[in-house]
Amino acid sequence: AQKVTQAQTEISVVEKEDVTLDCVYETRDTTYYLFWYKQPPSGELVFLIRRNSFDEQNEISGRYSWNFQKSTSSFNFTITASQVVDSAVYFCALSEAGSGYALNFGKGTSLLVTP
Amino acid sequence: SQTIHQWPATLVQPVGSPLSLECTVEGTSNPNLYWYRQAAGRGLQLLFYSVGIGQISSEVPQNLSASRPQDRQFILSSKKLLLSDSGFYLCAWSVRRADTQYFGPGTRLTVL
Repeated sequence: AQKVTQAQTEISVVEKEDVTLDCVYETRDTTYYLFWYKQPPSGELVFLIRRNSFDEQNEISGRYSWNFQKSTSSFNFTITASQVVDSAVYFCALSEAGSGYALNFGKGTSLLVTP
Repeated sequence: SQTIHQWPATLVQPVGSPLSLECTVEGTSNPNLYWYRQAAGRGLQLLFYSVGIGQISSEVPQNLSASRPQDRQFILSSKKLLLSDSGFYLCAWSVRRADTQYFGPGTRLTVL
């Protein structure tokens, strides 16, 4: 069963629009970590954020923000005032104590930002 | 600071040929090391991980193998490549198993 669901396969926005990438996860562990990675066309996976299950505080980093809600098992990612350089595939991932902290990735959301 | 290298960057190999992909990490000691494969369709699959020299855990049975001859070196091998081995191979490292994994630039393998 898919433990991390990224329902949006592809999103296309015009530059300066805000965009939210959804991530829903499934776990029975009380200790787990959630991640977002960015994969630009070059292919390398770039780490964006790590959040542990005991910290539901939302985080903002420049134009990026993350909304972690345990009640809905979601860890959504918002890009404010999107730019062309934000075009990439974005992956949400889960690691759980019960699985030896193996990274379980969603299928990714491809974001295209056009001028 | 830590850096992770992979080579080659791209590789085209015939079916049945051997394979050796190398990954090295600089700037850290005794890292956890990982091999992932990303096939067409974007899914990332963990193939192997290692917590120390000579210690390899396999996540998926296949014709690939991994070795860790040195603390910061991780090698992915195959004796005979299959068409289905084509994909993008990513190496990653972390300090501990539960920590953030940092990825290398990847090797794009095409088996013809």
